[in-house]
Amino acid sequence: DGGITQSPKYLFRKEGQNVTLSCEQNLNHDAMYWYRQDPGQGLRLIYYSQIVNDFQKGDIAEGYSVSREKKESFPLTVTSAQKNPTAFYLCASSQGQANQPQHFGDGTRLSIL
Amino acid sequence: AQRVTQPEKLLSVFKGAPVELKCNYSYSGSPELFWYVQYSRQRLQLLLRHISRESIKGFTADLNKGETSFHLKKPFAQEEDSAMYYCALSSGSARQLTFGSGTQLTVLP
Repeated sequence: DGGITQSPKYLFRKEGQNVTLSCEQNLNHDAMYWYRQDPGQGLRLIYYSQIVNDFQKGDIAEGYSVSREKKESFPLTVTSAQKNPTAFYLCASSQGQANQPQHFGDGTRLSIL
Repeated sequence: AQRVTQPEKLLSVFKGAPVELKCNYSYSGSPELFWYVQYSRQRLQLLLRHISRESIKGFTADLNKGETSFHLKKPFAQEEDSAMYYCALSSGSARQLTFGSGTQLTVLP
């Protein structure tokens, strides 16, 4: 089954710890995105990347970091600076062109111990 | 800045009844609008996009630029339509999405 693969499905973090969420795609898409989903708030954009070695902050980038060393991979690190990290994180990819849809992964649920 | 508003968090209708999920947007440019759906235990997926002007699973959505709306409609709701529906607007050089807060649709038997 091709598409977007996120891992792990569930992740627990201790206070003061950084954690990295994995996102891999085999769709040959140029653009990749990270969203955060909170109850009643829909999805909010954290970071996005149009091409390899380039990425931009989204609406809620504080406390997060990303890298895009390969076209297929766009890992998200939730740092200790993120004060409210408990959420559902969704990764997506697209061709990055007008009117092209985004394809989503199954998500990672991050909880604080 | 762009914004997408879905005024109803929850919507319940009976099977066979018409359903309309509201979406209004605020955007200075020419909008690219989508409806995404998330069924229970499934990933978020595209339902339809305004550019296609097509009907998917009996759903249609018409872009009304005068009212800045993109409401989702279906004449006869089915139980399998129960899901969370998100309206989204695409913008920027990477076509990143701005989502509404979502509407949980429940179709009652």
